Amino acid sequence: KNQVEQSPQSLIILEGKNCTLQCNYTVSPFSNLRWYKQDTGRGPVSLTIMTFSENTKSNGRYTATLDADTKQSSLHITASQLSDSASYICVVTPFSGGYNKLIFGAGTRLAVHP
Amino acid sequence: DTEVTQTPKHLVMGMTNKKSLKCEQHMGHRAMYWYKQKAKKPPELMFVYSYEKLSINESVPSRFSPECPNSSLLNLHLHALQPEDSALYLCASSQVRDRGSTGELFFGEGSRLTVL
Repeated sequence: KNQVEQSPQSLIILEGKNCTLQCNYTVSPFSNLRWYKQDTGRGPVSLTIMTFSENTKSNGRYTATLDADTKQSSLHITASQLSDSASYICVVTPFSGGYNKLIFGAGTRLAVHP
Repeated sequence: DTEVTQTPKHLVMGMTNKKSLKCEQHMGHRAMYWYKQKAKKPPELMFVYSYEKLSINESVPSRFSPECPNSSLLNLHLHALQPEDSALYLCASSQVRDRGSTGELFFGEGSRLTVL
């Protein structure tokens, strides 16, 4: 069964600190892997999207990495800000594609405290 | 313009009411989606429209009725809902690539629905 698992489930860090969120998946082969940020009660916003051939992708203070051999991805947040408090969702698209094939992880809820 | 606009942001309705959620995008995307999201859960796909035609219906109850009047608009008509239908309803859009695969999904802000 295609699955996407994220860890930790929740995380609390102090403002200015770095953190890394993990995403393990069993989807194979896959087309792309995306990280979204979702503020409470709002729609998800895309942070990065990587194809199976890419190893890293940056978007400002957000850097995503991908290891297709171990089927792991991470999202590293540098110099965290209070506004980074949100849920971060890992989404994998299987290679067969198709509109209903996006597989969502359960998300990591990040809280940044002053 | 990279926005997907959803209205209303909040909706409270009784179980006998009829209401509609609306979604609009002007990015030229020809695939549009409705997702349902319960608290602390990932979004669940409900419907997909491709080129204004319904492509996917994920066995959604008939009390939810989607409509795609044109390439920019997507509606979700609601009738005789249950309290368990209370959730955040997300609209999204994307380009359509070959073999029906999706480009990047752009989500709207969501419509928070409460059914009393």
